Formats: sequence, C-alpha cells, structure tokens
Amino acid sequence: GQQVMQIPQYQHVQEGEDFTTYCNSSTTLSNIQWYKQRPGGHPVFLIQLVKSGEVKKQKRLTFQFGEAKKNSSLHITATQTTDVGTYFCARTSGGSNYKLTFGKGTLLTVNP
Amino acid sequence: NAGVMQNPRHLVRRRGQEARLRCSPMKGHSHVYWYRQLPEEGLKFMVYLQKENIIDESGMPKERFSAEFPKEGPSILRIQQVVRGDSAAYFCASSPSQGYTGELFFGEGSRLTVL
Repeated sequence: GQQVMQIPQYQHVQEGEDFTTYCNSSTTLSNIQWYKQRPGGHPVFLIQLVKSGEVKKQKRLTFQFGEAKKNSSLHITATQTTDVGTYFCARTSGGSNYKLTFGKGTLLTVNP
Repeated sequence: NAGVMQNPRHLVRRRGQEARLRCSPMKGHSHVYWYRQLPEEGLKFMVYLQKENIIDESGMPKERFSAEFPKEGPSILRIQQVVRGDSAAYFCASSPSQGYTGELFFGEGSRLTVL
C-alpha cells in the first residue's frame, strides 16, 4: 500500500563512523521527506526530495532519491554525538503534504 | 518567533477520564494537523483542521476522539474515556495554506500517559 519501510530499525556506531538509513516503497513516491527526532523531542524537518535521482547535501548529511522514485537514503559522514536520534522518512498521500505516512524510523546511537 | 505551541507537555490520566490537548499554530498559519506517535513507532496522521472546519479526519478513531479549531483560540484534541492504549505522544503541526507542499512544523508534543 502506501507504507514506507525503513532499515535498519536501530544502528549503534562509534563516534566518527559513518551511518546510513534506507527508506523503501513498493509504489512510486511523488516526493520524500526526512525528519529527525531527538530522544524525548519532536520531529524536525531535514529535507524534501522531489526529483528522480536527486542528491542533496547538508554539511555531513547526504540525501538521495532513487532513479525510480521508490527509495531514498540518508547518509551521515563521521557521526557526532549530536547526531543521536531517530531518523524518519515520510511520504505524502494525495496532492498535499499534510497527510504524511511515516516510516518506523531508524534510531541512531553514537558512542563517544 | 513562536513556533507551534502545545500544552500540556505531559498529561497523566486514569482510565475513563478525559484528556484535552491544545495546539496554537505558528503565527500566520491557519492550518493545523494532529499526529499520534505510539512508543517506538512513526507518527500517524489523525486530523486536518482549518478555522472552524474539519477538512480531513480520516485518521481519527471513530469513537472517543474529537478535534476542533475554533475561530478564536487554540485547536483542541479531545479524548473521552481514555484507555491505556491512548498512551502516546500527540504532535500538532501547522502550515500557512492549503495545498502547501513544504515542510510541516511540529510542536513539541503532548505526552499522554493513561494509568
């Protein structure tokens, strides 16, 4: 259906290691959004990808949207303790962005 | 620049009581959305409201849950006769207009615990 699957569910890394989370859909996505939620916090928007094959960078974060628009990834280079949190991808339903379907998220923990 | 304001941040209720959660959108935003997050889950859409109108309530449970966004004052999510399964974080988001295609701005959430 309209679900998005995220893997892995958990990832523990040593500070300085890289981290990647993947988001997959069985149907074509019109766009994909990524959010970060710190423990006990609220989701904070990171980025939206719209175009097939799109790659966007934010400092140490690299976001990709697959050529077929059915998958996306978030890669963090050289993790820091401030990267700790759950990373969610979310797809839209219908023509507006308000009805997001979130994946279950990937919880990243970083060992200093 | 106040963001989306939600209160209370934490609420404890006993089974059978009522819970009222409030949300004030960002300044200039007239569209409000409620999402629920169960423990270790992603957020799930509940309802979309404009002032005095419910636009989409397809994610709301059929019973005990209601939402409103009056002409004056915050949006309110009301849960009657709470049960343990209602324990969750309830997040409100807002946007400036219908058909908005950008990000959702979430509040800090209201965490409901039902004893």
